[in-house]
Parts: sequence; structure tokens; C-alpha cells
Amino acid sequence: GENVEQHPSTLSVQEGDSAVIKCTYSDSASNYFPWYKQELGKGPQLIIDIRSNVGEKKDQRIAVTLNKTAKHFSLHITETQPEDSAVYFCAPRGGATNKLIFGTGTLLAVQP
Amino acid sequence: GAVVSQHPSWVICKSGTSVKIECRSLDFQATTMFWYRQFPKQSLMLMATSNEGSKATYEQGVEKDKFLINHASLTLSTLTVTSAHPEDSSFYICSANGGSYNEQFFGPGTRLTVL
Repeated sequence: GENVEQHPSTLSVQEGDSAVIKCTYSDSASNYFPWYKQELGKGPQLIIDIRSNVGEKKDQRIAVTLNKTAKHFSLHITETQPEDSAVYFCAPRGGATNKLIFGTGTLLAVQP
Repeated sequence: GAVVSQHPSWVICKSGTSVKIECRSLDFQATTMFWYRQFPKQSLMLMATSNEGSKATYEQGVEKDKFLINHASLTLSTLTVTSAHPEDSSFYICSANGGSYNEQFFGPGTRLTVL
């Protein structure tokens, strides 16, 4: 089945620094690549997504880049703030189904 | 837009009883909803795909007779944990497909504790 890995598993940055999380997947037919933010005790919140026909998408301090050839996509957060602290999941969608396959998660801690 | 609600937000029950969790899409119709389970400090694991008007499709290893799913309308899916045991204690999260590109929007989750 689909194998999805995230790196790093934990990331600690100082407020104002940038954070980058990488997601590697195995299904070459995947066509939709979202990132979710999950705060403690809450459901995941979609923060940005990208489709396979583009290489980069940006929304204010958040961006996602996609390399379909290498089968990985990354989340970039600039000017980090303490409220960015959460667990972040990538969840690429397989080409043949509507199913999201969640990565292992990255705990981001932004130190004030 | 694209709001998904769950009820209850938390529930405590005795071993052997059944618990029903509701998932609603509040401002859109969802022909497909999904049920996930998340144990502490772990990722989300898909349990089943719920399709309106038809039987749910369960992932490998998930007992369909224990986790009953009903998707009777385009805005409501329910998950019933039958004969719950302490090992069923977990965070249950639903999601619904919506939006222009069939994005998945998640509910706030239900914390189930079985004593």
C-alpha cells in the first residue's frame, strides 16, 4: 500500500524563524497533496493544498512545494509565531481512490 | 463554509455498552464521509468510507460488526461502537468530501473512554 513519511518528526524553532517539513510518498498516481494542522484535542484543519499540475502554491506565510518526479512535497512556514505550534500532517490522496493517507506527523514547537 | 460537526465531543461509557457518534456536514452536502481513529501521539488511521445510501467500505482489520456505520442522508453519518471495551478508547474523527476540488474537511473529533 501507500507509504507516507514525514521528516522531521519534531521541530523546534525560535519565533520569527522559518520551518520546513517534508513529506515523501510512494504512490506515483497521487494527484492531491494537502497539509493539515492539528491542535491538541481537536480535529485536523486543512491549511494548504496543491494539485499535481502545479509546483508551488503560497498563502501568506504558508507555502507548499511539490516535486512529483521525486515523489515528495514540503510545507514551508515563514515568520513563525507561537500559535503555529501544533502537529502537522501531510495526507496525499491516492490516484485511484478518494482516500487520504496520513503521514506520521511533525510536532512543531515555536519558542517565543 | 465547509463546516463539519461531531456529537458528542466526548463520552464515557461502561464496558459492554454501545455508543453512537454523529457526524454532520453543516453547510454542504457530502455523498462521501470518512471515519478515522487516532490513538495518543499517533497519526490518523482510516477506519471506513461511508457512502450515502449504500454500505460502508471498511479498511483491512476493522470489524464491520463492531463499528456500525450508517450514512442515511447527504449531511449525516453515524458510527456506532458496539459492545465497547477499554481498548476501543480513542479519538474518533470524521471527515466529509466537499469544496470545488473534493477536499476533505474534518470534524472536531469525539473522545471515547470505555471504563
